[in-house]
This record gives sequence, structure tokens and C-alpha cells, in this order.
Amino acid sequence: DADVTQTPRNRITKTGKRIMLECSQTKGHDRMYWYRQDPGLGLRLIYYSFDVKDINKGEISDGYSVSRQAQAKFSLSLESAIPNQTALYFCATSWTSGDGYTFGSGTRLTVV
Amino acid sequence: GIQVEQSPPDLILQEGANSTLRCNFSDSVNNLQWFHQNPWGQLINLFYIPSGTKQNGRLSATTVATERYSLLYISSSQTTDSGVYFCALRSGNTPLVFGKGTRLSVIA
Repeated sequence: DADVTQTPRNRITKTGKRIMLECSQTKGHDRMYWYRQDPGLGLRLIYYSFDVKDINKGEISDGYSVSRQAQAKFSLSLESAIPNQTALYFCATSWTSGDGYTFGSGTRLTVV
Repeated sequence: GIQVEQSPPDLILQEGANSTLRCNFSDSVNNLQWFHQNPWGQLINLFYIPSGTKQNGRLSATTVATERYSLLYISSSQTTDSGVYFCALRSGNTPLVFGKGTRLSVIA
């Protein structure tokens, strides 16, 4: 099994729908992150969590929310999806030091 | 926040050629990593290199922290080296900030 698992792998949804992307990890890492990748823009940080009781906004948090249900689970929600949220979404985990960054396989989201 | 600039944005190589990818950054860093994203989208950590030089097979990386740049060397390139290479770094206790990447295409 993968160390960092994202579900679903692919999703097509309609404008205005609420959608949740899930991430779980078996690395034992305390830190978890959600990044978004758009062509030519690299990875941009949406939200991050340093532990279960800690949630922080990243560079592009508008239109998104997160929940850290347990040390191993970190979900990302789009409250009302819009077409410009079409992108590849990555969950990542790391140690407190920032070392050991491990990425999930990504969720390709299309909003129509 | 810290700025990351990668060059070149695109690179096309013949199989067997060597290449150097560059990452410039705007502030002192305590963590710098290089990642490879393969054509299927998977991100793999290549090096953790906030300073100094490391080598792993045909790949090596050097970071000169005082001059705020890092270099990734790929020797004797293979078609499996194709993909996007990202430099990512942080200054302080923050998540990694990614550059926009260098897209490498190796042609047989």
C-alpha cells in the first residue's frame, strides 16, 4: 500500500457542487499539506496542518476548507466548485523538521 | 515570502547528453529539496540538499547557500529522465515553497 493515499484519483463535478478530497497516510508524519498544481505554475500551497489541532491557510485558500480528522487523515473540501478550480491536487506529509516530504499520487479534478 | 526561480523553463535533450538545471532563491534557507514529476504525475524526492553536494547515480546536486542557488546535474540522460523537475525550499518553520519547474524532454 502507498504511504500517502489520495481518493478519488479522478473526479468530474459540476459547478456549484460540494466535493471532498481525502488523504490518509501511514508514514507517522505529524505534518500534512494540500497543494494544487496548474500547468506552468508549479505547486501552490492551499492549507497545511502541523498537528491535529493546528490548521493554517496557505497561498491560495479562498474557496477551500480542510479538516484534520486524525493524525493520519487530512481532507480538502471545495464548498461550491467553480471551473477555475480544475487542477491536479496533491496531499503531502513530512516530519516536523520538514524532511521526508512524501506526496500522494494526486487527484485530477475537473469542474464543468 | 521567499521567491524561487527555476531555469530553464523547458529543455529538450538527445539521449546521452548532460544537463544542468538551476534554482535561484531570494532568502536564506534551512531546507531545499529537488523533486522529479514523471509523465504520469507522480512526485519523487531526489535530494534533500540545503547546502553542499550530493550524488545519486547519474544525478547530483549542489547548493551554494551563501549565493542563494542550487544546481541539479543530470549526466548521460535517458528517456526515463523526462518529466518536470521542481526545486522546493523553505526559510524557517514553514511548508515548502515550490518553483515553477523545468520541463525536461529526453529524445531517443
